Amino acid sequence: DIQMTQSPSSLSASVGDRVTITCQASQDISNYLNWYQQKPGKAPKLLIYDASNLETGVPSRFSGSGSGTDFTFTISSLQPEDIATYYCQQYDNPALTFGGGTKVEIK
Amino acid sequence: QVQLQESGPGLVKPSETLSLTCAVSGYSISSGYYWGWIRQPPGKGLEWIGSIYHSGSTYYNPSLKSRVTISVDTSKNQFSLKLSSVTAADTAVYYCARHTTMVNYWGQGTLVTVSS
Repeated sequence: DIQMTQSPSSLSASVGDRVTITCQASQDISNYLNWYQQKPGKAPKLLIYDASNLETGVPSRFSGSGSGTDFTFTISSLQPEDIATYYCQQYDNPALTFGGGTKVEIK
Repeated sequence: QVQLQESGPGLVKPSETLSLTCAVSGYSISSGYYWGWIRQPPGKGLEWIGSIYHSGSTYYNPSLKSRVTISVDTSKNQFSLKLSSVTAADTAVYYCARHTTMVNYWGQGTLVTVSS
């Protein structure tokens, strides 16, 4: 089974800060890596698919990069509405494995 | 617009079977995609339980495989989850979802509590 290690588990940043979250796969997953945002009491929302593609309607301050085993998710300028927990997810035909999540708070 | 809606008991006794149904609207299950179940214990992360392909093939998380059954009813355009021999560790919000390599449609989630 492919394991996903996401870090950090939580972070606190100021409005306008650049925020970076990383996700490492236990083996090569090509670009089968997606990022979701989850707000309390809501289902996750897809933000980035195939490592670096922005889902339709998602603000351009969100971005993703990486391939193989190491991936990065970035919020270029943190906004108050970005307070949420973010998850990476890999696809292993057809199993889905999620990272442990990163809770983003405002400092 | 594709919509998914979970339904089922919110309280299940230990050792019994958890049963949930996901009603799909706006898309025919038999036309394509994987249809899956994902759960989230309170305050914790997301865990894939299993999926059924539109053809009827099923795939389960190895850690739950012995207790899970996912089935589809194309006449009602819905799919179902059964999880047997539940314990308190199975208490979670259960989401149904449509996915390929990514999940692009989720149900709103339903909290199932395992307690006597």
